[in-house]
Amino acid sequence: LAKTTQPISMDSYEGQEVNITCSHNNIATNDYITWYQQFPSQGPRFIIQGYKTKVTNEVASLFIPADRKSSTLSLPRVSLSDTAVYYCLVGDEDNFNKFYFGSGTKLNVKP
Amino acid sequence: NAGVMQNPRHLVRRRGQEARLRCSPMKGHSHVYWYRQLPEEGLKFMVYLQKENIIDESGMPKERFSAEFPKEGPSILRIQQVVRGDSAAYFCASSPQGTSRSYEQYFGPGTRLTVT
Repeated sequence: LAKTTQPISMDSYEGQEVNITCSHNNIATNDYITWYQQFPSQGPRFIIQGYKTKVTNEVASLFIPADRKSSTLSLPRVSLSDTAVYYCLVGDEDNFNKFYFGSGTKLNVKP
Repeated sequence: NAGVMQNPRHLVRRRGQEARLRCSPMKGHSHVYWYRQLPEEGLKFMVYLQKENIIDESGMPKERFSAEFPKEGPSILRIQQVVRGDSAAYFCASSPQGTSRSYEQYFGPGTRLTVT
């Protein structure tokens, strides 16, 4: 049973803002939403984490609506080096020990 | 502060041999997670361990696979009698705590297993 749903791929151009949405209908009350970035042949790297509303750091922003059933990762002014796979991770209300990565969104930034 | 370390980075085994993958978590981290990533696919959870305890191994195949995280030393993922379908990248991650539901995990560079 899939716990998160993301678009399989997205294309963008350098300098644009990119928004990637993840659906997580079964998110538990105490769960956080975490996004990771993965380059080819490397392990995933933590980007941002949030619980509700909006979180911003030097890399990205995370928007979470009141019902928390989805979240949107926003990457401002992407560059070619942002080409990667982006995963969202949330908890499982039935068993918090089972960590489900989404299918991942492959972002392709073009010049 | 060194990050999560995995070795070897690349491992080639013939069918039927054993593969041992090692993971040293970040300093101060007592929780280790193993994931498998097949080519062109996402990460799949395998097992979650604390020191000397397996917390959840529901993602790990029942046969040929085992994992441990001893009191001293690295975590070990062991694959016995490897088959070609075991060829994948195996990632280890660690976190300082596992019960907060705050899933900030720090990943190692992975071990790429090739079974010939």
